Amino acid sequence: DPKIIQKPKYLVAVTGSEKILICEQYLGHNAMYWYRQSAKKPLEFMFSYSYQKLMDNQTASSRFQPQSSKKNHLDLQITALKPDDSATYFCASSHYRNSGNTLYFGEGSRLIVV
Amino acid sequence: SQWGEENLQALSIQEGEDVTMNCSYKTYTTVVHWYRQDSGRGPALIILIRSNEREKRSGRLRATLDTSSQSSSLSITAAQCEDTAVYFCATDRGTQVVGQLTFGRGTRLQVYA
Repeated sequence: DPKIIQKPKYLVAVTGSEKILICEQYLGHNAMYWYRQSAKKPLEFMFSYSYQKLMDNQTASSRFQPQSSKKNHLDLQITALKPDDSATYFCASSHYRNSGNTLYFGEGSRLIVV
Repeated sequence: SQWGEENLQALSIQEGEDVTMNCSYKTYTTVVHWYRQDSGRGPALIILIRSNEREKRSGRLRATLDTSSQSSSLSITAAQCEDTAVYFCATDRGTQVVGQLTFGRGTRLQVYA
């Protein structure tokens, strides 16, 4: 059974609309992350959360808002969608400690903005 | 080798051959992670090498790290068809930002029978 559940797996959205990507992890980790992978760029770090607190944000746009309702949940709300937002968004988790953390990734949510 | 603005590299080899993938990085790191990504799946860690290690082995995998040249390599011995995947190296800024890995563009490895 997958230990990191991402929903939906695929979605198509209209430019200007808003979508929420869901992520739940059942690995007992206290840190969760969002990464983005597109055809144009390598896998990129977006956000990190630990104990439901935002630790780092490397996303320039405020249109991307992570939301953590529970320790093992980290959703990603994207507003005013643009075609350039088309990408696969990966949720990941790990123990929160110094270097060498193994990140466990979900299977991704593939977003296409038309 | 993979990094920066380089395109995704591709390698195609026959089953049973050995293969080495290279990675160079630009910023300080305490650890180099190697991940593999199968089609339609998320990346999965296969081997991790720390700055105080020059070589790390795990089954048919061997990773090396040269901090002086800021480069790492991943070798697969006697490749099998199931090794077909995209392989990424990633650097870890350690205590500066936990969990923030910087990934290379990857090497797409195709192993054919």
